[in-house]
Amino acid sequence: QSVLTQPPSVSGAPGQRVTISCTGSSSNIGAGYDVHWYQQLPGTAPKLLIYVNTNRPSGVPDRFSGSKSVTSASLAITGLQAEDEADYYCQSYDSSLSGWVFGGGTKLTVL
Amino acid sequence: QVHLVQSGAEVKKPGASVKVSCKASGYTFSDYYIHWVRQAPGQGLEWMGRINPKTSGRYYAQKFQGRVTMTRDKSITTAYMELTSLRSDDTAVYFCARGSAVAGPVENWGQGTLVTVSS
Repeated sequence: QSVLTQPPSVSGAPGQRVTISCTGSSSNIGAGYDVHWYQQLPGTAPKLLIYVNTNRPSGVPDRFSGSKSVTSASLAITGLQAEDEADYYCQSYDSSLSGWVFGGGTKLTVL
Repeated sequence: QVHLVQSGAEVKKPGASVKVSCKASGYTFSDYYIHWVRQAPGQGLEWMGRINPKTSGRYYAQKFQGRVTMTRDKSITTAYMELTSLRSDDTAVYFCARGSAVAGPVENWGQGTLVTVSS
């Protein structure tokens, strides 16, 4: 059971928009800690997709965007492409655990 | 360019120990935390702990306390993670990861090291 809750799977057709939610609690996202998002292709290390809630590292397409509210965050992907098919993870910090916490991961399928 | 290069795959018997290395290059080793994250087959990411290479201060996730030791050798810019009393459910890919802040994102990942625990 992950500290941050994500839907196990989402899907969408090419060109569509999908969102992935990440729900936390008062000791992590709700405490004001930032949320970061990673994309993981099969057999590879995760790649930083969004950092500090809304920021994209250089090289990440602007089709990817992040948002944060009180105790949750979301990753939105617009203009879905076949290459976006991957696992996506959210990450934050938890003050009661004094360490990183991850969501359980969401598998994105491009139909 | 930042690189984190990990040691190769390991096969261990239950009860044994494993030590994974993570060689850092392309940045000032002491300026960034090294975290260890593992991923069991078909499962999600699990944070194990972190080490501050400057001070050697470390913090371990409660789940691993007593079984994990994280160290570093500044002279060769290498971090290590040793896990003892291995069980079959420790079979996983172990990643080292670089971050500039305790609560910050992973800025770079190692390629991962598969540790298989099997009798």
